[in-house]
Amino acid sequence: EDQVTQSPEALRLQEGESSSLNCSYTVSGLRGLFWYRQDPGKGPEFLFTLYSAGEEKEKERLKATLTKKESFLHITAPKPEDSATYLCAVNAGGTSYGKLTFGQGTILTVHP
Amino acid sequence: NAGVTQTPKFRVLKTGQSMTLLCAQDMNHEYMYWYRQDPGMGLRLIHYSVGEGTTAKGEVPDGYNVSRLKKQNFLLGLESAAPSQTSVYFCASRDRGEAFFGQGTRLTVV
Repeated sequence: EDQVTQSPEALRLQEGESSSLNCSYTVSGLRGLFWYRQDPGKGPEFLFTLYSAGEEKEKERLKATLTKKESFLHITAPKPEDSATYLCAVNAGGTSYGKLTFGQGTILTVHP
Repeated sequence: NAGVTQTPKFRVLKTGQSMTLLCAQDMNHEYMYWYRQDPGMGLRLIHYSVGEGTTAKGEVPDGYNVSRLKKQNFLLGLESAAPSQTSVYFCASRDRGEAFFGQGTRLTVV
C-alpha cells in the first residue's frame, strides 16, 4: 500500500533560520512526487514536481530534492510569509495508477 | 477560466440526512479526486477517477459514493451523514502533472 510520511509535524523557525522538511514514501512505481503549500482556509497550492532520484527544483527560498526513498524541502532564510502547511504527495503507477496520496503535512511557523 | 469549482462552500447537515457535493473542472483533465481534511491528518483520499465513467476507492471510502458521468464533473455523495463525516472536503483534478484544487467545502454534521 502506498504510504507517505512527513516530518516533523510542526516546525518553528526564527526569520532567517534555514531548515528542511522531510517526506518519506513507499509506492509502487513512482510517477511523480509533488510539494504543495496550504494557507489556512484555502486549497493546496502547487510548488514543485519531481520525477526521478537526483532531481532538484528551486523557487525563491525553496528547494526540493528527491532520492529513491524520500524528498526534502529546504527553506533558506525563511520569512514570516513562508508560514503555512507544506504537503507532500506521490502519484503511483501499477495497480494504483492515477492515485495521488498525501502525507499529513508539516506546519511551518516563521517568527519575525 | 474558473479551474476547479466546488459547490456548496458550506453546509450543515443533520445526522442521517443525505447530500451531494459537486466538483466541476474546465481544464479537460482526465483524473479527479475527492479528499477530506481533518486537523493534523493532512489530505485523505476518499475516491478518485482516472477517466469519465470510472471510479476507484481511496483510503477512506466508507460512507461515501461517487459518480463521474461527465468528464468535467465528479460528484461525492453522502447517503446517511454521520458526525464523523464533519470535515473540510477538497476536490482536485489533473492530467499528467500537478493537481489543481478547489477552495473546499466545509461540512458540519450535527
